[in-house]
Amino acid sequence: AQKITQTQPGMFVQEKEAVTLDCTYDTSDPSYGLFWYKQPSSGEMIFLIYQGSYDQQNATEGRYSLNFQKARKSANLVISASQLGDSAMYFCAMSLSGAGSYQLTFGKGTKLSVIP
Amino acid sequence: EPEVTQTPSHQVTQMGQEVILRCVPISNHLYFYWYRQILGQKVEFLVSFYNNEISEKSEIFDDQFSVERPDGSNFTLKIRSTKLEDSAMYFCASSYTENSPLHFGNGTRLTVT
Repeated sequence: AQKITQTQPGMFVQEKEAVTLDCTYDTSDPSYGLFWYKQPSSGEMIFLIYQGSYDQQNATEGRYSLNFQKARKSANLVISASQLGDSAMYFCAMSLSGAGSYQLTFGKGTKLSVIP
Repeated sequence: EPEVTQTPSHQVTQMGQEVILRCVPISNHLYFYWYRQILGQKVEFLVSFYNNEISEKSEIFDDQFSVERPDGSNFTLKIRSTKLEDSAMYFCASSYTENSPLHFGNGTRLTVT
């Protein structure tokens, strides 16, 4: 069974600094997708970035980049130039491709606090 | 940018009552999902729906739960007889294909008293 591990329950970062949120995964399937979602205190789930297991390059979306190290089974999220509005819970998730639908498995999340 | 819409944002119900949570997925999306998040815990998959039928469901999705797409725009989750442990945030999500990212709604916070 697939598993997602986020070992940092909470992180602090100074405004304008970069921060890395860790995520490791475990699956025996060669085809999978990795996602990061942001959940502000208001509760909604906001899609940030996606990495496919066969993608050669690391995904980037604005200030978000995914440091994908396939051999180590890690998919860390890097947020550059942190802003106060980045304070939120961040969830790493994985899906298995080709299953006919998306059953995402989520990690427990990391609470990021940006300090002014 | 199109978004997934969920109503209501918060629902309070008494134990044993039926509740229907409503969702309007993004209009050109074909795959629909329900997830739930018990307070302080991780997000859990409930069910996926494609081509007017359930394609996958988790062990959480027992006989008390059902989903329906009554028309071309709405996607509903019904809980027939709510239990205290059903209290959670329920998220609807949709995706265009099985390989594209899920877009979540803002969630419905269900409180069972």
